[in-house]
Amino acid sequence: SVLLYQKPNRDICQSGTSLKIQCVADSQVVSMFWYQQFQEQSLMLMATANEGSEATYESGFTKDKFPISRPNLTFSTLTVNNARPGDSSIYFCSSLGGADAEQFFGPGTRLTVL
Amino acid sequence: AQSVTQPDARVTVSEGASLQLRCKYSYSGTPYLFWYVQYPRQGLQLLLKYYSGDPVVQGVNGFEAEFIKSNSSFHLRKASVHWSDSAVYFCAVRNTGYQNFYFGKGTSLTVIP
Repeated sequence: SVLLYQKPNRDICQSGTSLKIQCVADSQVVSMFWYQQFQEQSLMLMATANEGSEATYESGFTKDKFPISRPNLTFSTLTVNNARPGDSSIYFCSSLGGADAEQFFGPGTRLTVL
Repeated sequence: AQSVTQPDARVTVSEGASLQLRCKYSYSGTPYLFWYVQYPRQGLQLLLKYYSGDPVVQGVNGFEAEFIKSNSSFHLRKASVHWSDSAVYFCAVRNTGYQNFYFGKGTSLTVIP
């Protein structure tokens, strides 16, 4: 299995500011994924990040708004630029691991934009 | 395109009762199917998965699910629920050769003591 840690657990920021969410894995993983979850909604895949390459974004998510770094095989950072109240949600990082390539999730970062 | 439908947004059952949470998927190939549970203010935890073979798969805490290809369903079951099973349950499908998961909207389960 893979253990994923996220920092911060929660954040409150003002509209127009930027914030970073960090994700650390306890072992090396090829791909890290970032998901967005609005309250009482499903998880939406935002992007896939592989080490040393540009993240691949899903429809509705852009590099300018949500830049992602993946400097090594255990770390990734999601930035939320020009945060708006509509960005208020929980952000999860995720990766595959184990013999069956199961998907593991971090505990999430709850973001509130005022 | 892949999609997952969980038709019941909320389910309430009494402790000790049996449970079925419904999941139907749309997928053109051979899917990998999953059930995850999310407890309040926590991340998702894998309950069980189906890749191939026996269509009835056993998971943690007495949960099981049955893959019925003809019905494109992967319903989650438990014979006797406990109050601690109260959580949100997500069904998910993944392409066998692709890494992206597609989640249903989740079913919020409340178990009344």
